[in-house]
Amino acid sequence: DIQMTQSPSSLSASLGDRVTITCRASQSIGTSLNWYQHKPGEAPKLLIYAASTLQKGVPSRFSGSGSGTTFTLTITSLQAEDFATYFCQQCDGNPSFGQGTKLEI
Amino acid sequence: QVQLVQSGAEVKKPGASVKVSCKTSGYSFTGHAMHWVRQAPGQRLEWMGWVNGANENTKYSEKFQGRVTLTRDTVADTAYMELRSLTSEDTAVYYCARDDGGVPYWFDPWGQGTLVTVSP
Repeated sequence: DIQMTQSPSSLSASLGDRVTITCRASQSIGTSLNWYQHKPGEAPKLLIYAASTLQKGVPSRFSGSGSGTTFTLTITSLQAEDFATYFCQQCDGNPSFGQGTKLEI
Repeated sequence: QVQLVQSGAEVKKPGASVKVSCKTSGYSFTGHAMHWVRQAPGQRLEWMGWVNGANENTKYSEKFQGRVTLTRDTVADTAYMELRSLTSEDTAVYYCARDDGGVPYWFDPWGQGTLVTVSP
């Protein structure tokens, strides 16, 4: 099974900051990597699919990059509604998830 | 819009079974597979398996093989997850999520989650 390692596990930032979250796969997965936002009590929300494609309706301050084993999610100009948990998911075969990054003010 | 609405929270005794439903709307149910994922307290999300919306084909994670059954009702546009022989380690929030994209694929949207608590 493909293991996903996400870092950092938590992150403190301020409104307007730029933050980057990294996800590493235990083997090459091409661009089969998705990013989600999860707020307590809500359904997870797809942000980025296929490593770098922004899902419709997601603000352009979110971006994704990477291929192979290393991927990044970048959020520029943090807004209040962005404080949440973010997790990556690989979909090269059976899916698996990173452990999540809690983004706090 | 596409919506997945799950059944309510459950409390079960060890050894019991639980069946969670995922009612869909806003898309062709038979055109997409449905995945089930769970998150135990303090743990990462864990994929359990998927059921094909068009037929009864399923694929299960090895961890849950033999203990979980995924089904669907194409008349009711609803997917189901049944987990048997529950233990305290099965206490978790269970999510359904629509398979989208093809190859590669992604999960969109997700249900709101169903808390299953296993307690004596």
